[in-house]
Amino acid sequence: LAKTTQPISMDSYEGQEVNITCSHNNIATNDYITWYQQFPSQGPRFIIQGYKTKVTNEVASLFIPADRKSSTLSLPRVSLSDTAVYYCLVGGYTGGFKTIFGAGTRLFVKA
Amino acid sequence: EAEVAQSPRYKITEKSQAVAFWCDPISGHATLYWYRQILGQGPELLVQFQDESVVDDSQLPKDRFSAERLKGVDSTLKIQPAELGDSAMYLCASSLDERQYFGPGTRLTVT
Repeated sequence: LAKTTQPISMDSYEGQEVNITCSHNNIATNDYITWYQQFPSQGPRFIIQGYKTKVTNEVASLFIPADRKSSTLSLPRVSLSDTAVYYCLVGGYTGGFKTIFGAGTRLFVKA
Repeated sequence: EAEVAQSPRYKITEKSQAVAFWCDPISGHATLYWYRQILGQGPELLVQFQDESVVDDSQLPKDRFSAERLKGVDSTLKIQPAELGDSAMYLCASSLDERQYFGPGTRLTVT
């Protein structure tokens, strides 16, 4: 399984766009990139997933360059409620989807 | 939206006692995961089931931890005997594909 590297923490202000980059140099051909959000005392919640290029949903965008060795989660116009830990996971399907959680990025949004 | 159920939500036990956690995944999800999350760290996979079969238990401390999913539906994680270092959040997740759905977790405190 590919190891991921993310910044430990980030600060932002309400209304700003936040970009969190994750490095995964050893990503395998069949691996997907998935991002989760976790609030204190809750389980992680799926945000977005992609394989290559760009993926967008109602809450975020995921940018993946052609070499797939990194990815960037983009959160448009963050609010105080976006303060959470964000995890980047890389993994593939082998009898169930196998992934490894790293330490995540602690995003703190200030007023 | 269907959710993963876990019980109990909180458990306080003395060291050397036995403790058990229960998880009911989303109906139809073949893959079930148990994670342990220590405060300030990312979730660590303990065991992964595909239906009733264990796919990965390489990080499960087998001298004291056991997990079962007898009918391929709900699952139980047991610790016997509990140690102080087992204090953590125990998360259950299920999936049909690459997206994992997490339950609320069980907060275990060993005194």
